[in-house]
Amino acid sequence: EPEVTQTPSHQVTQMGQEVILRCVPISNHLYFYWYRQILGQKVEFLVSFYNNEISEKSEIFDDQFSVERPDGSNFTLKIRSTKLEDSAMYFCASSRSGIQETQYFGPGTRLLVL
Amino acid sequence: AQSVTQLDSHVSVSEGTPVLLRCNYSSSYSPSLFWYVQHPNKGLQLLLKYTSAATLVKGINGFEAEFKKSETSFHLTKPSAHMSDAAEYFCVVSVYEANAGGTSYGKLTFGQGTILTVHP
Repeated sequence: EPEVTQTPSHQVTQMGQEVILRCVPISNHLYFYWYRQILGQKVEFLVSFYNNEISEKSEIFDDQFSVERPDGSNFTLKIRSTKLEDSAMYFCASSRSGIQETQYFGPGTRLLVL
Repeated sequence: AQSVTQLDSHVSVSEGTPVLLRCNYSSSYSPSLFWYVQHPNKGLQLLLKYTSAATLVKGINGFEAEFKKSETSFHLTKPSAHMSDAAEYFCVVSVYEANAGGTSYGKLTFGQGTILTVHP
């Protein structure tokens, strides 16, 4: 059964550094998402991406964040100049369409900013 | 705006007894509702979803949920708990809406999660 994969599973970085989180969505899916979960808090929507552009983003997704689909298989989340409060589990998800479709999640990347 | 409230942060049951995980939602439009489960060190796995068809939805591993519009609820149940059901469960709502702020393409809004413990 196809699944969403994410790398790395864990990342530790220093405050102010840039990190790139990588995701490989399910191959025939067209919509891609990033969510995050700060320890002890709810899973929060960050951004959705379709047809090579952002279709929706939350208030959290400010200029510090960017997403890209650099090739036909990868979907990346870049965090520039990381802050302590960026420490969280980051989940990638994908779906065939954006309406009422099931979103399939990857196992997550745990980011720790020191 | 949409929101989800899971009424219990922790539920503890004995193996073989029924499971009830409670969820209430708020939505301005007709919602799609989901239950996801997360086992330790695993990704979020879909248990079941409601998308305006039958109000009683059956999912994997014997779970089911009933959409009650009058009560704005979508509680998750299972007749008999198994040790392998121990995990964290998330109730999730999604709404497709076009409004002054733009079109929502189905972003998911999560509840805070319910940790289910199953005792032998």
